[in-house]
Amino acid sequence: NAGVTQTPKFQVLKTGQSMTLQCAQDMNHNSMYWYRQDPGMGLRLIYYSASEGTTDKGEVPNGYNVSRLNKREFSLRLESAAPSQTSVYFCASSRGPLDYGYTFGSGTRLTVV
Amino acid sequence: QKEVEQNSGPLSVPEGAIASLNCTYSDRGSQSFFWYRQYSGKSPELIMSIYSNGDKEDGRFTAQLNKASQYVSLLIRDSQPSDSATYLCAVPPFTGRRALTFGSGTRLQVQP
Repeated sequence: NAGVTQTPKFQVLKTGQSMTLQCAQDMNHNSMYWYRQDPGMGLRLIYYSASEGTTDKGEVPNGYNVSRLNKREFSLRLESAAPSQTSVYFCASSRGPLDYGYTFGSGTRLTVV
Repeated sequence: QKEVEQNSGPLSVPEGAIASLNCTYSDRGSQSFFWYRQYSGKSPELIMSIYSNGDKEDGRFTAQLNKASQYVSLLIRDSQPSDSATYLCAVPPFTGRRALTFGSGTRLQVQP
């Protein structure tokens, strides 16, 4: 009954460092998503993967890359972290691209100093 | 114009009252609408969806949709302190990117 698991839960990076946020789901969902949430701005889509083997840019993709490693896992990489990337990052999944009942992970709180 | 707009609040209501949360959207082609609830420090969870004009009721929650006015609302009857949370309105794209667009959310505070 894990659902969507995100690691790590908290991270502090220095400007210019790189890191990968991990996301895995055990619900046999086809579609996965990465959003960031900033105060007053709601959830903004970074990248999504409608199905295994495909990835597409969302609203705010600059500074990020993604990998859909397999059906279960969808990782988000920051190559050179910037203070503007300080945010809470949520991974979500759904049965398919037309299923809008998303299951969200618990989030990763990232601070870039 | 933002695709989905919500008043950030906070909306403060006394316990037992009706809380009314509102959302407007810009894409006239949108066919379905979703309400997610997010407790402080937690992740969003789906609580309601609505696809056609009119009202949809689920327990103490009622979603209302008016496509002509591009307006969707969520009513919470007999509000409880446990309803205190941020409520996010979400709309799928009519064209293009295939993922939900979320509003910035309305924070609801139910006073005991």
